Amino acid sequence: AQSVTQLDSHVSVSEGTPVLLRCNYSSSYSPSLFWYVQHPNKGLQLLLKYTSAATLVKGINGFEAEFKKSETSFHLTKPSAHMSDAAEYFCVVRYYSGGGADGLTFGKGTHLIIQP
Amino acid sequence: DTGVSQDPRHKITKRGQNVTFRCDPISEHNRLYWYRQTLGQGPEFLTYFQNEAQLEKSRLLSDRFSAERPKGSFSTLEIQRTEQGDSAMYLCASSLAPDEQFFGPGTRLTVL
Repeated sequence: AQSVTQLDSHVSVSEGTPVLLRCNYSSSYSPSLFWYVQHPNKGLQLLLKYTSAATLVKGINGFEAEFKKSETSFHLTKPSAHMSDAAEYFCVVRYYSGGGADGLTFGKGTHLIIQP
Repeated sequence: DTGVSQDPRHKITKRGQNVTFRCDPISEHNRLYWYRQTLGQGPEFLTYFQNEAQLEKSRLLSDRFSAERPKGSFSTLEIQRTEQGDSAMYLCASSLAPDEQFFGPGTRLTVL
């Protein structure tokens, strides 16, 4: 079974400082991993994805994540936070079933707060 | 706008009533997914279509829930005899390839 654990429900950083959102996964297979962002009253948007190519993945808006198989982690980072980064962030794993479906399993989310 | 659209955006209903939501995927996306998101939680997978075929249903999808995708285009999700526990945001996503699902804005259901 696949699952993801987001280690922090809330993270607060000052504008201009680095962001670290932590995620650990559990998967019986080589996983596909994603980070999605959800701004208030807006749809989920894909930030970046890992699909067994380069372990350091670059996404939109300056975000990146590193896949570490030995640690079963996929932490999201950004060197310098911006006020517009304030949102809910979800770490996600894609699983495969015998029926060929590929639904996503979401973590519970990390609420990122940016202090001015 | 060529993104995923959902209708209605908000629905308030009384317990025991039936409700139906619609999702229009990005055109030419053959895969369509429904998820449910409750307050403070991440979305949970409900069901998946490839073209018009419903290939998987989560155990979360009780027999009061039914989803269709006639002709492999738009999809509907119906909840019969709604219960207060059905109150949630219902999200639809579509994709052409498995690796990137595009989400709609969701339909927020409130059951009184």
